[in-house]
Amino acid sequence: EADIYQTPRYLVIGTGKKITLECSQTMGHDKMYWYQQDPGMELHLIHYSYGVNSTEKGDLSSESTVSRIRTEHFPLTLESARPSHTSQYLCASSGLAGGRRNEQYFGPGTRLTVT
Amino acid sequence: GESVGLHLPTLSVQEGDNSIINCAYSNSASDYFIWYKQESGKGPQFIIDIRSNMDKRQGQRVTVLLNKTVKHLSLQIAATQPGDSAVYFCAENTGAQKLVFGQGTRLTINP
Repeated sequence: EADIYQTPRYLVIGTGKKITLECSQTMGHDKMYWYQQDPGMELHLIHYSYGVNSTEKGDLSSESTVSRIRTEHFPLTLESARPSHTSQYLCASSGLAGGRRNEQYFGPGTRLTVT
Repeated sequence: GESVGLHLPTLSVQEGDNSIINCAYSNSASDYFIWYKQESGKGPQFIIDIRSNMDKRQGQRVTVLLNKTVKHLSLQIAATQPGDSAVYFCAENTGAQKLVFGQGTRLTINP
């Protein structure tokens, strides 16, 4: 069982609100990722980090931002939520600290609904 | 751009039968491939992986086949069980520790 956690699991929020999705891992992994996924569809990489103070935008453009101040923590923030942000957000991590080097371990996801 | 795609969006099999899920990838430089299983309401879970210097790898009830000539990957699940019902994704490592995911195949096991 992967030790990667996401909170909240479900969030319903009104348009214009600022939200932060939390992601933490206890595996000491240096790399962390955020994906956006519509139900049953493919995962789209929106942000990734190779270590503390390192963040990069992914392949899918997103209005969200991320920070990596601590190795274990990779929060994602939406300054002003819109209905188009409604989706599932998955956090993942990978690293040399145990496991297969390129395998990404996923959290349970946050299902976000913006009304 | 790079993409990994699956041939079928859905697959239904009888319990106890074998199932085969296919995946086509486009980047011939990809050196590592993973199959993930995603159950409803959960994040993807690792099933099996294979490196590009191999053409077959077996796990418990699962086998992954890699055909680099035609850039094709498949996942075989033997003696399917109700718990195998999920969406299955293939993913390729295109470099820089990033994975590109395919569209997913929903596998349904009929009793």
